[in-house]
Amino acid sequence: AQSVTQLDSHVSVSEGTPVLLRCNYSSSYSPSLFWYVQHPNKGLQLLLKYTSAATLVKGINGFEAEFKKSETSFHLTKPSAHMSDAAEYFCVVKRGNMLTFGGGTRLMVKP
Amino acid sequence: DAGVIQSPRHEVTEMGQEVTLRCKPISGHDYLFWYRQTMMRGLELLIYFNNNVPIDDSGMPEDRFSAKMPNASFSTLKIQPSEPRDSAVYFCASSFRDHEQFFGPGTRLTVL
Repeated sequence: AQSVTQLDSHVSVSEGTPVLLRCNYSSSYSPSLFWYVQHPNKGLQLLLKYTSAATLVKGINGFEAEFKKSETSFHLTKPSAHMSDAAEYFCVVKRGNMLTFGGGTRLMVKP
Repeated sequence: DAGVIQSPRHEVTEMGQEVTLRCKPISGHDYLFWYRQTMMRGLELLIYFNNNVPIDDSGMPEDRFSAKMPNASFSTLKIQPSEPRDSAVYFCASSFRDHEQFFGPGTRLTVL
């Protein structure tokens, strides 16, 4: 069985400050992990993915995530938040064609 | 490519009515997925198809829900009869083999 826990349902940062969205996973095998972003009233867009290559994965819009097997974590970071980053972010674990989503973290960016 | 296309974008209906949601996957993709997003349960996989054949429908909540894929470029998700608790955003996604899933913009369903 696989599961994903996003540790914060809401995160608020000021524009220009770092972003950290936390994700822990549970998987009985080597996982494929993803971060998706959902802007209001929009579909989900892939930010980045980890598929057992480099543990530090770079994605779009300056986001990156680090896979830490010992901590079963896949936290999403960005050095400097922009107003346009305000959205909901989902950590996802994949097995075969099945995606299991975390509960989501709503990122708010204050001017 | 236009991406995954879903229609309608919004649907408001009354309890007991039949609802049909439509999806056109990205051309060339051989997998199609239907998801439901609610505040209470988050994002859940309802059913997915491979080469137009349903592979796993274990997420379909009950017999009122049915999905079909008559050809590689079209799928429907039908709810009959609809109930207020079916109110949600329904997403369709497609992929080529087990690669990245591309999501449509969703259909926001409200059942009164």
